[in-house]
Amino acid sequence: QVQLQESGPGLVKPSETLSLACSVSGGSISGYYWSWIRQPPEKGLEWIGYIYYSGSTNYNPSLKSRVTISVDTSKNQFSLNLNSVTAADTAVYYCARDQGFGELWGFGYWGQGTLVTVSS
Amino acid sequence: SYELSQPPSVSVSPGQTASITCSGDKLGDKYACWYQQKPGQSPVLVIYQDAKRPSGIPERFSGSNSGNTATLTISGTQAMDEADYYCQAWDSSTHVVFGGGTKLTVL
Repeated sequence: QVQLQESGPGLVKPSETLSLACSVSGGSISGYYWSWIRQPPEKGLEWIGYIYYSGSTNYNPSLKSRVTISVDTSKNQFSLNLNSVTAADTAVYYCARDQGFGELWGFGYWGQGTLVTVSS
Repeated sequence: SYELSQPPSVSVSPGQTASITCSGDKLGDKYACWYQQKPGQSPVLVIYQDAKRPSGIPERFSGSNSGNTATLTISGTQAMDEADYYCQAWDSSTHVVFGGGTKLTVL
């Protein structure tokens, strides 16, 4: 069974860069789309972006100027960098894998989520 | 930008049928999926490609998508189905778009 686990700092200072990694176990990175999704406290889900195992990316237009998602197939993990953060970036950050092999079907696998707070 | 609209809340009595709608321009021309999220938990995919159920999802969950509206239907709703439900689709640039979420109350 595929499992995803987010890791990274739980506290980031304003104007700095939020960096998270998602480790994948029980399956390969290859062949799938991998996403980052966030959820501010008591609010809805917001897609940040996805990366295909080959390295091609697609980002939420509202965050595109600040986001970089990368993949390391040798480590079976992918990462998120979000720069110039503000308090509005405080959220639970989830990594997720699409249900479809090589296709976009919906997020069938999710990490447990990690709360990142932006505060000085 | 493409937007999906959901009612903020829906109430249903136990054993009855709950319907949650998701509206977007020509949504029926796209694939829609649905997630269930209980407090403190990660979302769970309950419907993908409009009407397909992932393995392990009960048969009482079904979906449809036509025109401008996708609908998640829960037949014989149980107390355990009380949760937030989110629809999701892709815009013309394959950006992922989520609806605002619907809180389902079973009372």
